[in-house]
Amino acid sequence: KAGVTQTPRYLIKTRGQQVTLSCSPISGHRSVSWYQQTPGQGLQFLFEYFSETQRNKGNFPGRFSGRQFSNSRSEMNVSTLELGDSALYLCASSLEGLAATGELFFGEGSRLTVL
Amino acid sequence: GNSVTQMEGPVTLSEEAFLTINCTYTATGYPSLFWYVQYPGEGLQLLLKATKADDKGSNKGFEATYRKETTSFHLEKGSVQVSDSAVYFCALTHQAGTALIFGKGTTLSVSS
Repeated sequence: KAGVTQTPRYLIKTRGQQVTLSCSPISGHRSVSWYQQTPGQGLQFLFEYFSETQRNKGNFPGRFSGRQFSNSRSEMNVSTLELGDSALYLCASSLEGLAATGELFFGEGSRLTVL
Repeated sequence: GNSVTQMEGPVTLSEEAFLTINCTYTATGYPSLFWYVQYPGEGLQLLLKATKADDKGSNKGFEATYRKETTSFHLEKGSVQVSDSAVYFCALTHQAGTALIFGKGTTLSVSS
């Protein structure tokens, strides 16, 4: 079956702009989580959505937001971009969430460069 | 707070060599522990997991034992192959088991 699909794979923005990233989970998966990966901080949890509701949130500023649609597809948005937002943004899906299944399925990521 | 520390590498080995990647953790409560692997050009995938002390996770010849007394979850493989070249991430559960805290990742390069 198809894996987790993230679009776009690469994008370049300038400071102050905003960006929207998309994630299509594995068919049937209702939980979608987002992680940010940078060389300095490694992988950090952004938030998790389940059945269109944000269920958990990491320690990121309010400029980072997300949503989930009825078909479980998810988007995350970063407003007023800063240079430090340059990162690989990873989406992960699971049937019911990490606590229930013990496993996340990751996409290949969207690489954002902020100039 | 909860955290994971793993050797950052890179680790360079010859085929059939023994592999150990060290991972130690700091956590409150009783987290589950994981090793995820990222092959070149692919997303992270679960390699193995352990959910309680003394559990041993194993998959594809890799093993790791949840050691509560040493707060460790070291990854081992007896004989590595070129196809094992990848980045390996140690992780534990956080926020009531709903999110993962990752180590920085260890790059393994195996040559023939």
